[in-house]
Amino acid sequence: SQQGEEDPQALSIQEGENATMNCSYKTSINNLQWYRQNSGRGLVHLILIRSNEREKHSGRLRVTLDTSKKSSSLLITASRAADTASYFCNYGGSQGNLIFGKGTKLSVKP
Amino acid sequence: GAVVSQHPSWVICKSGTSVKIECRSLDFQATTMFWYRQFPKQSLMLMATSNEGSKATYEQGVEKDKFLINHASLTLSTLTVTSAHPEDSSFYICSARDRMGETNEKLFFGSGTQLSVL
Repeated sequence: SQQGEEDPQALSIQEGENATMNCSYKTSINNLQWYRQNSGRGLVHLILIRSNEREKHSGRLRVTLDTSKKSSSLLITASRAADTASYFCNYGGSQGNLIFGKGTKLSVKP
Repeated sequence: GAVVSQHPSWVICKSGTSVKIECRSLDFQATTMFWYRQFPKQSLMLMATSNEGSKATYEQGVEKDKFLINHASLTLSTLTVTSAHPEDSSFYICSARDRMGETNEKLFFGSGTQLSVL
C-alpha cells in the first residue's frame, strides 16, 4: 500500500498555539504533499515538498521532510479557528495517482 | 489557481435508480481525473482513475459495472452510480491534474457530492 499515515489522528488546541502533524510513509517518493479538508468539502492543496528538499515554508505553514526516516511534518503556527479541518498527507506514486492516509483532525478553539 | 467544478453537491434518490455526478475542470485540461469515496470521519478511498479517451482504471474491489466512469473530453469526467442502494450512500469527490500546469503533480478537487439513497 502506498498509503501515508498521519499522526495524531485528532488534535485539539487553543487559538494562537502551534499545531504539528506528522506523516509516515512506506516507499520511496518523488514528492510529498499536504492537503486540507473542511467538513463536507473537497480537499485543498496546501504545500508540496520534493524528495530533495528538507524544509519548505508557505505563510504560517512549515513542512519538513526526512527521507531517511520516511516521515514528514506539517507545522501550523499561530493557529486560528479557521484552521479547523482535517489534514492529509500523500505522496506521488509511480503511476501518479495519489492515495491519502487517514488524516489528522485539527480543532482550534477560539 | 485551477478550478474543478463538481455537480451536484448533494442528491437524494430512491433505491434502484441511477445517479450521475459530473466533474469539470473549468480553466485547464485534465487528461486524468480521479474519483474518490469518503465515509464519515474517514479518509478518501480511491475508486478509479479516469483517463480521457480510454477506459477507466478501477481500484481493487470497486465494481466497474456499478460505478460507470466516462471521460469523453479533456474537461469532463462523469461517475454514474447505477442501480443505487442505501450502502452506496457516501460522499464522492473528484480530482484532476493540470497537465500543462507548473507542476502536474498537484491535485485540484471538486467540492464533493453527498449521495443519499433511500
